[in-house]
Amino acid sequence: GDSVTQMEGPVTLSEEAFLTINCTYTATGYPSLFWYVQYPGEGLQLLLKATKADDKGSNKGFEATYRKETTSFHLEKGSVQVSDSAVYFCALGTDYGKLTFGQGTILTVHP
Amino acid sequence: NAGVTQTPKFQVLKTGQSMTLQCAQDMNHEYMSWYRQDPGMGLRLIHYSVGAGITDQGEVPNGYNVSRSTTEDFPLRLLSAAPSQTSVYFCAARDFSGNTIYFGEGSWLTVV
Repeated sequence: GDSVTQMEGPVTLSEEAFLTINCTYTATGYPSLFWYVQYPGEGLQLLLKATKADDKGSNKGFEATYRKETTSFHLEKGSVQVSDSAVYFCALGTDYGKLTFGQGTILTVHP
Repeated sequence: NAGVTQTPKFQVLKTGQSMTLQCAQDMNHEYMSWYRQDPGMGLRLIHYSVGAGITDQGEVPNGYNVSRSTTEDFPLRLLSAAPSQTSVYFCAARDFSGNTIYFGEGSWLTVV
């Protein structure tokens, strides 16, 4: 079945550091890929998405490229801020709006 | 636009009690689903629906019941709550042609 694996966390960085959160997936067919962010005590917000191979999703300085050959969708940001501290979820979407999520990566950014 | 609305936001139940988590959407989206979020496990699909009158099981359906009598509403029922059902529950909606999935703000449930 479909599955998503995210890098083990938590991740702790200093402000302005470079961020990478790895995400790999296993799926049949051609899923869409998503990154969601969850701030403390809040719900899920869509951060970015890509619907086909080689698509790049981007938002708020975050980027991720849909790599079919490596089945990956790694999240990157060039310079993180304290306000980026949150839990990040990689997910793949299949038919009927169903999502399969990774386990989440906790990011803490220190001033 | 309200989007996806979940109620209640917080609830404490005693073991064996029943309750319904409400989910309503005002976007006329066909697809709706329920997820639970547990620490270190991400979100897991409980049940989903592709339209009024049609529901199906997800990854972790045991202990939960759903129905979809209208396009707008997709309630999740716990028939006899167990401590293992302590979790955060999210409802989501998507239209059949789009790729954006809209989530509610979550319902924090504690079973004691």
